[in-house]
Amino acid sequence: EVQLVESGGGLVQPGRSLKLSCVASGFTFSNYGMNWIRQAPGKGLEWVAYISSGSSYIYYAETVKGRFTISRDNAKNTLYLQMTSLRSEDTALYYCARQDNWGQGVMVTVSS
Amino acid sequence: DIVMTQGALPNPVPSGESASITCQSSKSLLHSNGKTYLNWYLQRPGQSPQLLIYWMSTRASGVSDRFSGSGSGTDFTLKISSVEAEDVGVYYCQQFLEYPWTFGGGTKLELK
Repeated sequence: EVQLVESGGGLVQPGRSLKLSCVASGFTFSNYGMNWIRQAPGKGLEWVAYISSGSSYIYYAETVKGRFTISRDNAKNTLYLQMTSLRSEDTALYYCARQDNWGQGVMVTVSS
Repeated sequence: DIVMTQGALPNPVPSGESASITCQSSKSLLHSNGKTYLNWYLQRPGQSPQLLIYWMSTRASGVSDRFSGSGSGTDFTLKISSVEAEDVGVYYCQQFLEYPWTFGGGTKLELK
């Protein structure tokens, strides 16, 4: 069974940093491109970032470009999202996702 | 960016009736390989999105045959035949033809 388990969320002040992790199991992680997708409270879905299976291709939404960094460690079956210069509008539930499977999400709240 | 626009449902939908959700894209999602890069997801209350349909009309593993997807390059429909209680939630269409992936605003289904 495919499992994606996110961690690392929490309450953080504006301008600070936070790093999310997503541990994958139940499939060959190194074969799949992975994404971070977020959902602000009561709102729709917003794609955030993508990384290819071997990290050769990386894309970001314009709203996070220059502030967020997606990375992965295939030996540890883990996906990361380093978030810096956080803003209140980054407050959301962050999902780690293959196209066909999503984790349960981790909440990030940016507030003073 | 490709803009995805979803229609609304005449809620609530009587149990056992059919429901159709529409989605339009600002650019054709039909690739030269003949595939249409359109997904449908269902997000049940309190859960992460679940893939229902990919390539516009292919049901994901384990998805009821009450769900069917159809359309052209820019106009798409998700049909739910004989709506049941477990179908309640928000439906999203999403294009994966190019990054940034973009989602429709969501269509809420409520049961009568």
